[in-house]
Amino acid sequence: QVHLLESGPGLVKPSQTLSLTCSVSGASMRLGSFFWGWMRQTAGQELEWIGRMHSDGSADYSPSLRSRVRIALETTKNQFSLTLRSVTAADAATYYCVRDRGFYPPNFDSWGQGLLVTVSS
Amino acid sequence: QPLLTQAPSASGAPGQRVTISCSGSAIGPNPVNWYQQAPGTAPKLIIYSNDQRPSGVPGRFSGSKSGTSASLAISGLQSEDEASYYCATWHDNLNCPLFGGGTKLTVL
Repeated sequence: QVHLLESGPGLVKPSQTLSLTCSVSGASMRLGSFFWGWMRQTAGQELEWIGRMHSDGSADYSPSLRSRVRIALETTKNQFSLTLRSVTAADAATYYCVRDRGFYPPNFDSWGQGLLVTVSS
Repeated sequence: QPLLTQAPSASGAPGQRVTISCSGSAIGPNPVNWYQQAPGTAPKLIIYSNDQRPSGVPGRFSGSKSGTSASLAISGLQSEDEASYYCATWHDNLNCPLFGGGTKLTVL
């Protein structure tokens, strides 16, 4: 059974860059036709899709975040990452990494436990 | 005006059947997924492609779609079903998934 675990800073200053890593265990990211992506959930419990990347290098990003976000896969380490630039208070949320079976809408069949990120100086 | 609308709350007694609805024009041409989120945990996929259950999800959970609305039905309600339920679909113009605001289900 696949297991995902987020890691990274829980506190980021406004205007700085948020960098998170997701470590995958129980499955190889190089096998199967999955996307690997990120979701976030605000304090008001709203769910927001950030983006996803396939092992073939193709990626989709939320139109509202596309200019600031990048997802990268490191399949040799069985990890993938999220980089979000120029953060503001609106980026404060619990961030989840997810395995996505693809399709439209995405089928997130595995989720990390979530990492709370606060944006404050 | 949210793009996907869900009632904020629902309730039912143990053993009863409850239905949670989701509506929005984006649903019309696209399938709907449902996620269950128990307090303090990550969401879990319980219905995909309108009415399909992933392996391990009890048959008490069923989904349906008609026009621009979708429904999640839970029969034989159990205390462990107390959670928030989110619908999701794809928005063709925005080219991204949409999520409803969630319905918090209370088991009385």
